[in-house]
Amino acid sequence: AQSVAQPEDQVNVAEGNPLTVKCTYSVSGNPYLFWYVQYPNRGLQFLLKYITGDNLVKGSYGFEAEFNKSQTSFHLKKPSALVSDSALYFCAVRDIDSSASKIIFGSGTRLSIRP
Amino acid sequence: NAGVTQTPKFQVLKTGQSMTLQCAQDMNHEYMSWYRQDPGMGLRLIHYSVGAGITDQGEVPNGYNVSRSTTEDFPLRLLSAAPSQTSVYFCASRPGQGYGYTFGSGTRLTVV
Repeated sequence: AQSVAQPEDQVNVAEGNPLTVKCTYSVSGNPYLFWYVQYPNRGLQFLLKYITGDNLVKGSYGFEAEFNKSQTSFHLKKPSALVSDSALYFCAVRDIDSSASKIIFGSGTRLSIRP
Repeated sequence: NAGVTQTPKFQVLKTGQSMTLQCAQDMNHEYMSWYRQDPGMGLRLIHYSVGAGITDQGEVPNGYNVSRSTTEDFPLRLLSAAPSQTSVYFCASRPGQGYGYTFGSGTRLTVV
């Protein structure tokens, strides 16, 4: 069975500092990995994905994520945080070697950027 | 494009009542899913579909039914509402396996 874990409920960062939001996954085969962001009272918005190829993927709003197969991780990063980055972030995984075409989400991490 | 449209945005039900949450997309996406969002639990998959006429269960399917008669529509039916089904429900669609979801704006359901 596939699963995804976000070990931090909340991450606090000062504006201008780098940020990292952690995600680890478990699949029986190879993964598709995704990051989404949710602003208050809104649906989720797609940020970026890893399918294959370069382990460092770039996405919207200056975010990037690094796929590490040996550590089964897909951490979200940004070199310089903005107050407007404050939101709820979700990691998600799809086991591409499974016959079931479902995407499973983590529990979310609340990112708070202080001015 | 409207994207993914969910109706209603808010709903209050009494225990035992039934209702249908509507979801429609105009992007010709094959894949559609229903998730519920609860505090501290993230999004949990209820049901999903990989094309018209094809549906499958997710992580928490009990108490819910779905059907997919057309590519555009993917309604979620609550058979007999229970307080445990109080949640925010999101419908999402994507073109295929390696693509991200487009989410609707959600339906906030309260069962009293």
